[in-house]
Amino acid sequence: EIVLTQSPDFQSVTPKEKVTITCRASQSIGSSLHWYQQKPDQSPKLLIKYASQSISGVPSRFSGSGSGTHFTLTINSLEAEDAATYYCHQSSSLPQTFGQGTKLEIK
Amino acid sequence: EVQLVQSGAEVKKPGESLKISCKGSGYSFTIYWIAWVRQMPGKGLEWMGIIYPGDSDTRYSPSFQGQVTISADKSISTAYLQWSSLKASDSAMYYCVRSIGTGACLDYWGQGTLVTVSS
Repeated sequence: EIVLTQSPDFQSVTPKEKVTITCRASQSIGSSLHWYQQKPDQSPKLLIKYASQSISGVPSRFSGSGSGTHFTLTINSLEAEDAATYYCHQSSSLPQTFGQGTKLEIK
Repeated sequence: EVQLVQSGAEVKKPGESLKISCKGSGYSFTIYWIAWVRQMPGKGLEWMGIIYPGDSDTRYSPSFQGQVTISADKSISTAYLQWSSLKASDSAMYYCVRSIGTGACLDYWGQGTLVTVSS
């Protein structure tokens, strides 16, 4: 089973700040890495697919990069509505797995 | 519009059986996979397994193999997750999610079904 490790677990940030969340895989997964946003009491929502591909309707301040074992989610010019928990997810091999999540708090 | 509508919250006792559902609409149900994801209270996301409604090909996470059964009825565009004997540790939110393949992202999520198991 592929283990995904996110960092940090928690981050407190101010609006307009740039945020970077990393996700490391225990073995190479190519570009089969996706990012989701989950706001309190809501279902997760797909933000970025295949490491860097944008999703229709997702604000352009969200971007992804990486391949192999190291991936990043970047949020440029953070907004108050971005307060949420962010998860990475690999679909390279079964069982699919998720990172433990990164909670973003807006100051 | 793609929608996955899940059945309502359930409160059960340990040892009872349960089957929750997920009805897809707005797309061709038989050519997309449906995955199930667990989220225990205050915790992260766990991938449980996935089914292809077209032929009921099903894959399970080893963590959930033998603990749950995933099925689908393509005639009514509905996928199911069932337990034969619930435990308190099964208390969680369960999401069904659409995916184009076993190697693909999870693009549309249901609203979740909260299962509470308590004596």
